[in-house]
Amino acid sequence: NAGVTQTPKFQVLKTGQSMTLQCAQDMNHNSMYWYRQDPGMGLRLIYYSASEGTTDKGEVPNGYNVSRLNKREFSLRLESAAPSQTSVYFCASSEPVIAKNIQYFGAGTRLSVL
Amino acid sequence: AQTVTQSQPEMSVQEAETVTLSCTYDTSESDYYLFWYKQPPSRQMILVIRQEAYKQQNATENRFSVNFQKAAKSFSLKISDSQLGDAAMYFCAYKETSYDKVIFGPGTSLSVIP
Repeated sequence: NAGVTQTPKFQVLKTGQSMTLQCAQDMNHNSMYWYRQDPGMGLRLIYYSASEGTTDKGEVPNGYNVSRLNKREFSLRLESAAPSQTSVYFCASSEPVIAKNIQYFGAGTRLSVL
Repeated sequence: AQTVTQSQPEMSVQEAETVTLSCTYDTSESDYYLFWYKQPPSRQMILVIRQEAYKQQNATENRFSVNFQKAAKSFSLKISDSQLGDAAMYFCAYKETSYDKVIFGPGTSLSVIP
């Protein structure tokens, strides 16, 4: 029972490079989320997806794109990484009935942009 | 816009004592959910406790309980008989019933002194 799986766990990029963070859940949840965590700022929502085929912007979407590939997978792409995107990224999933709106989180990806 | 405030960036408690973490939120909605999540040094976010706004009874989970004051928009977490394993960042979170976005507070870092 894996829950929410994020890859990679660590990544170092140079400014201008691109990369995709992968997230998959095996709990049959409809909703999936991407957050970034910075010291003193809690978790800020980047994008979320209420169901397969839909995505919506959160608080801090600039510089990111997402894809809800299917019900299980929700990826986050940095097209041209900037030092301001150095952060810890978390994927989460949830569901009103199955999960009672509780968010289940992946282990996080620590990203450094040099 | 909804906001969640945690006014105590850091707290400490003696082992076996009781500590209360504060959370206030701003909303014009009447139906919503409130959560406390714990993030230990391992970085894995896990749910501590969940409260439905339409329920007047305060939620409890073993040593964890909340004081939910709907009119005051206050949602504090009480940890009784504190243990070393309780040392972590604690995040308060808000979610509307009819909306998928979840808003997190900035967090409170709790230290447990042996």
